[in-house]
Order: sequence, then structure tokens, then C-alpha cells
Amino acid sequence: AQSVSQHNHHVILSEAASLELGCNYSYGGTVNLFWYVQYPGQHLQLLLKYFSGDPLVKGIKGFEAEFIKSKFSFNLRKPSVQWSDTAEYFCAVKTPRADKLIFGTGTRLQVFP
Amino acid sequence: GAGVSQTPSNKVTEKGKYVELRCDPISGHTALYWYRQSLGQGPEFLIYFQGTGAADDSGLPNDRFFAVRPEGSVSTLKIQRTERGDSAVYLCASSLGYIGLTGELFFGEGSRLTVL
Repeated sequence: AQSVSQHNHHVILSEAASLELGCNYSYGGTVNLFWYVQYPGQHLQLLLKYFSGDPLVKGIKGFEAEFIKSKFSFNLRKPSVQWSDTAEYFCAVKTPRADKLIFGTGTRLQVFP
Repeated sequence: GAGVSQTPSNKVTEKGKYVELRCDPISGHTALYWYRQSLGQGPEFLIYFQGTGAADDSGLPNDRFFAVRPEGSVSTLKIQRTERGDSAVYLCASSLGYIGLTGELFFGEGSRLTVL
């Protein structure tokens, strides 16, 4: 079965620090990849997505992610985090034959001013 | 409102009781998903509707779980003979048609179920 691994369970940063959250998936074929974010007290929402083309994807609020097919990875990055980025971040994958998203376990990010 | 609405937001029940959780998707969204999120875990797929029919129910853990969407809009997740292990946040999401086109699921705020 397809799976998504997020190895960083809890990340603590100071404002202006750089961020990279890891995401690896297990599926050998073509995939669509996503990062969703859940701010405290809010619902899950889409941060960015990769379908095809340029493997470097830019999303909202200055986030970007890079798809590296050879590493089965889709890591999320932000050069300089803000306190308002405190949230839980979920990586997800969609495979061609399944019309659903498979989510990772999430990474809790805390940013201190 | 314009978003996905889920009721109740919180439900506390006793082991063995029957529970219904309701989801009202965004108007016009044909695809509807139910996920379950346990503490410290990511959302776990349960079932997906395209219109009125369940297109994929492979995530339902056992036959105590059932979901319907009779008119292709509102959906109800039904759990019979609840067990303590059913305690979780049940998330509903909707999508405008086939998720492969837009890739975006719009989530509700969830129904937190606690089974005592």
C-alpha cells in the first residue's frame, strides 16, 4: 500500500530561521503531491501541490516544495519563518488509480518570536 | 456559510451506543470524503462519494461503520456499537469533481468523537 513518511514530528524554530520539513512517499509510478496546513483552531487547507512540470512548486505565504523523483521526496521549505507559521503540516500523495489523498502523520511546527 | 459544515462539533457517547455525524459540503461539490484523525496521526481515509454513490469505501475499518449520501449533497457517517478505539476527530472534505483535476480538498473543522 502507498504510504507517506514525515520524519520530523515536532520542529521548534525562532522567527527568521529557515525551515525544511521532510516528506517521502512509497509509490513507484506517477504521483500528485500535496502539502496541507492546519493552523491552531482551524481546518486543514491546501498549502501547495505538484501535478507535473517544474519540480519546484511555490505555494502561499512564501512556502515552496521540491519534488525529487529519484528520492521519492517532496520536502517543504521556507527561507524565513514567522510566528504565524506555527501550525501542523501534512504531506499527502495521490496515485493515478485512487481518487483520494493519503496523508502522512504530520509535523508540528512551533515558531517563537 | 461557504465552507464545509460538520455537526456536531463534539460528541461524547458511551461504549456500545450508536452515533451519527453529519457533513454538509460546499454547494456544487460532487465529491465528498470522510477521514478520521486520531491523536498524533494524520488524516486516515475512510470513504469517498462521487455524487450519491460510494466510489471507494476501502478505508472503513469494519462493518460497524457506514456512510450515506442519498441526494448527492449532505452525507452522514454512522457508527454502530461504538468502541473506545473509535474516539477520534472525524473530518469531512469536499472537492469540485474529480480530485485529479484540482487536487484540492476543502475540509470542515471536524467532529470530535469521544467514546467513554
